[in-house]
Amino acid sequence: TQLLEQSPQFLSIQEGENLTVYCNSSSVFSSLQWYRQEPGEGPVLLVTVVTGGEVKKLKRLTFQFGDARKDSSLHITAAQPGDTGLYLCADFKAAGNKLTFGGGTRVLVKP
Amino acid sequence: KAGVTQTPRYLIKTRGQQVTLSCSPISGHRSVSWYQQTPGQGLQFLFEYFSETQRNKGNFPGRFSGRQFSNSRSEMNVSTLELGDSALYLCASSPVGQGATEQFFGPGTRLTVL
Repeated sequence: TQLLEQSPQFLSIQEGENLTVYCNSSSVFSSLQWYRQEPGEGPVLLVTVVTGGEVKKLKRLTFQFGDARKDSSLHITAAQPGDTGLYLCADFKAAGNKLTFGGGTRVLVKP
Repeated sequence: KAGVTQTPRYLIKTRGQQVTLSCSPISGHRSVSWYQQTPGQGLQFLFEYFSETQRNKGNFPGRFSGRQFSNSRSEMNVSTLELGDSALYLCASSPVGQGATEQFFGPGTRLTVL
């Protein structure tokens, strides 16, 4: 059974600071996805990465995928209160149309 | 396009009762998946339906069941509720097809078992 571990579990920072959250898998990702979930809502897909070593940028968010395809990081530059939420990494397996999620990192950006 | 809708949004039940949750996928999406989210276990996959057939099932007891209708709408049922079934139940739909990798989540149904 694949296990996804995210760290830290909780992060509280001031507006304008940078932050990085991590995701490690016990086995190689099929397709790594990062989601953000806000209170009262379902998760929303931020990015999908497939190739080891891949780096993707989404405005102030930078996603890195490890060369061995077993780890990933999400870096947010100059965080804003709107970045507050639960950040989840997941492995998407197309064969079963199934997502396996990590435990999540809860991010709080204070104004 | 309207997003995934789930009803009801909130539900309170007592132990031993049963509950049915409903999910309407995005128009044109034929796959519906269900997930359970709890503070202790996080988000866990329950099952996935496509064309009215369950294609994939997570590691949950038989008290958890579901079905999908011809219009792709889906329901999940939990019988003989236990306190530990208190959770946010999320439904996700996807178009399914070559290259489709995204699942679109609804806002969830928060179930409280007393």
